[in-house]
Amino acid sequence: NAGVTQTPKFQVLKTGQSMTLQCAQDMNHEYMSWYRQDPGMGLRLIHYSVGAGITDQGEVPNGYNVSRSTTEDFPLRLLSAAPSQTSVYFCASSRSGRLGGELFFGEGSRLTVL
Amino acid sequence: GENVEQHPSTLSVQEGDSAVIKCTYSDSASNYFPWYKQELGKGPQLIIDIRSNVGEKKDQRIAVTLNKTAKHFSLHITETQPEDSAVYFCAAGGVIYNQGGKLIFGQGTELSVKP
Repeated sequence: NAGVTQTPKFQVLKTGQSMTLQCAQDMNHEYMSWYRQDPGMGLRLIHYSVGAGITDQGEVPNGYNVSRSTTEDFPLRLLSAAPSQTSVYFCASSRSGRLGGELFFGEGSRLTVL
Repeated sequence: GENVEQHPSTLSVQEGDSAVIKCTYSDSASNYFPWYKQELGKGPQLIIDIRSNVGEKKDQRIAVTLNKTAKHFSLHITETQPEDSAVYFCAAGGVIYNQGGKLIFGQGTELSVKP
C-alpha cells in the first residue's frame, strides 16, 4: 500500500511560472487536503475536498487552485508563482469527509520560488 | 474561524523526564483534538486524539487532557526517550455544516530529548 504519494519532492520555480503539485492516494479516502508548512507557522490549510467534485477553501487559499475529478487525485496548481509561496507542501487524506478520522500525510514537496 | 495557539515552540528535556505541550483554541464548536508527530524529512503522523466528550485519554507513555471550558488541551509524554525527539503539532476542528470538517493546526513544538 503506497498511501499518499506526492510528486515532485523538490521543485525550483521562477516568479510567474506555473506548476502543479500532484497528490494521489490509494486508500479510497473521501477527504483530501493540502497544507503548507512554514517555520514558526505550523501547518496551514490551503484547500480541501470531501469527495470527488467537491472542493473548498482553507485558511490560505489565495494563489492556489485545486480540483477533484477522481477520488484518488487532488492536484494543487500554482498559476503564477510568487516568492511568498516558497514552502513545504503536504497533501493529506482521511477516510471520511467528517472529522474524527486519522489524517494520513504524504512526505511533502519542497518548493522554492526565486 | 478557528485559531490554535501552541506553546512552547521549543522544549528540551533530559531522557526519562516528562514533557508537556499546551494548546488553546478559539472556536467553541471544535470537538476533535488530535496530536501529530513529525520526524525530520517526513510528513506528520497521528499519535493520539481526543474528542470533546472526553476529558483525558492515555496511550502508554502519552496522554492528552482537554478542558473545554477553558478551551485548552495538553499533550503529556512521560519517561521520555531520545526517539521522542521530533516536532509535535496540536490541532482542533469541528464539523462544518454540509462540508465535512476543517482541521486547524498549532505552530508546532520542537521537542529535544537529551540522553
